[in-house]
Amino acid sequence: GAVVSQHPSWVICKSGTSVKIECRSLDFQATTMFWYRQFPKQSLMLMATSNEGSKATYEQGVEKDKFLINHASLTLSTLTVTSAHPEDSSFYICSATLRLASNQPQHFGDGTRLSIL
Amino acid sequence: DQQVKQNSPSLSVQEGRISILNCDYTNSMFDYFLWYKKYPAEGPTFLISISSIKDKNEDGRFTVFLNKSAKHLSLHIVPSQPGDSAVYFCAASVNTGANSKLTFGKGITLSVRP
Repeated sequence: GAVVSQHPSWVICKSGTSVKIECRSLDFQATTMFWYRQFPKQSLMLMATSNEGSKATYEQGVEKDKFLINHASLTLSTLTVTSAHPEDSSFYICSATLRLASNQPQHFGDGTRLSIL
Repeated sequence: DQQVKQNSPSLSVQEGRISILNCDYTNSMFDYFLWYKKYPAEGPTFLISISSIKDKNEDGRFTVFLNKSAKHLSLHIVPSQPGDSAVYFCAASVNTGANSKLTFGKGITLSVRP
């Protein structure tokens, strides 16, 4: 069964609105969560690494003021796409790793399909 | 700059035969490699991994081979089953820590014909 839950799975909204996506680890504590974006027929591109209780680390080229990440607890991280525009339309997916465990693969949520009109 | 490359976008094999999915990488600092499988409308699920200190890792029908000198790895599925039809992503990281960043390839769509 899924160990990472992502919500919502699909969002359609108007240009200029903000959208919040939640990522929850089920049955385990995730010190670190990752946020990815995937465009059609492309690879999953890491956007940021989210550590509980500290600021997220963003990858080069990702606007931190555009994509707000909050990791308030060991089981929840949120990604807010602020003032979304059509070019932000994409598939957003999170993953989590087991706390204090090395050699553990990342477990992924089922992703959020974001469509900005 | 694509550091992990899956040059074949798709592969079709007959049920019961072997599926060989290839992956190349350019970053010599990568030392941990993973394969993920993804069905439509679902997130990737972990399949198998291999550390750079090994050249082979086997788990049931799935075997991953690593050729460090060629910066190449492959996933073998034998025998292939229709339920194996999915997109397979190759991923790599610089270390194996819990917060290691993964770099993904674009994926290969595998179709297993009954």
